[in-house]
Amino acid sequence: AQSVTQLDSQVPVFEEAPVELRCNYSSSVSVYLFWYVQYPNQGLQLLLKYLSGSTLVKGINGFEAEFNKSQTSFHLRKPSVHISDTAEYFCAVSESNTGNQFYFGTGTSLTVIP
Amino acid sequence: NAGVTQTPKFQVLKTGQSMTLQCAQDMNHEYMSWYRQDPGMGLRLIHYSVGAGITDQGEVPNGYNVSRSTTEDFPLRLLSAAPSQTSVYFCASSRTGGVGQPQHFGDGTRLSIL
Repeated sequence: AQSVTQLDSQVPVFEEAPVELRCNYSSSVSVYLFWYVQYPNQGLQLLLKYLSGSTLVKGINGFEAEFNKSQTSFHLRKPSVHISDTAEYFCAVSESNTGNQFYFGTGTSLTVIP
Repeated sequence: NAGVTQTPKFQVLKTGQSMTLQCAQDMNHEYMSWYRQDPGMGLRLIHYSVGAGITDQGEVPNGYNVSRSTTEDFPLRLLSAAPSQTSVYFCASSRTGGVGQPQHFGDGTRLSIL
């Protein structure tokens, strides 16, 4: 079965500093990759996705992620964070040959410190 | 736009009671799914459906039943609630299953089993 690893469970960062949230997956087959954000007491919202093509993907709210096939990684980055970015972030993977099941990481709690 | 609507938002049950968590979407999505979210474990797939009349098991299906009689609705049933089923439950939908379709999430149902 597919596994998704988010290496950092909590990431504190000062406002206007850059941040990177790490995600690694285990699949050896072709995959689709996603990052979702969850604000308190809400459902998950899509930040960005990688399906094919350029390995650098830009999403909403100034976030971007880079797909690295050789390292099976899909790290999320933002050059300057805001207080409003404080939330839980989830990496998710689906395999292109099945596609019906999404596998989520355990989440990274990002706290932006004023 | 309603999107994915889950009811109820909160529920407390006693061990052994049964209940149905409701999920409805108004986007004419073929694919619908149920997840449970537990601290430190991310989201785990319970059941999913690729269309009306078709359901399948996910990663953690035991103790849960589903049916899909219409495109819009995908209820999740707990036949005999157990404390281990205390969790936050999310319903999600996407246009189709697979091919990198991102999922749209409801706001969740917070369920406590005493």
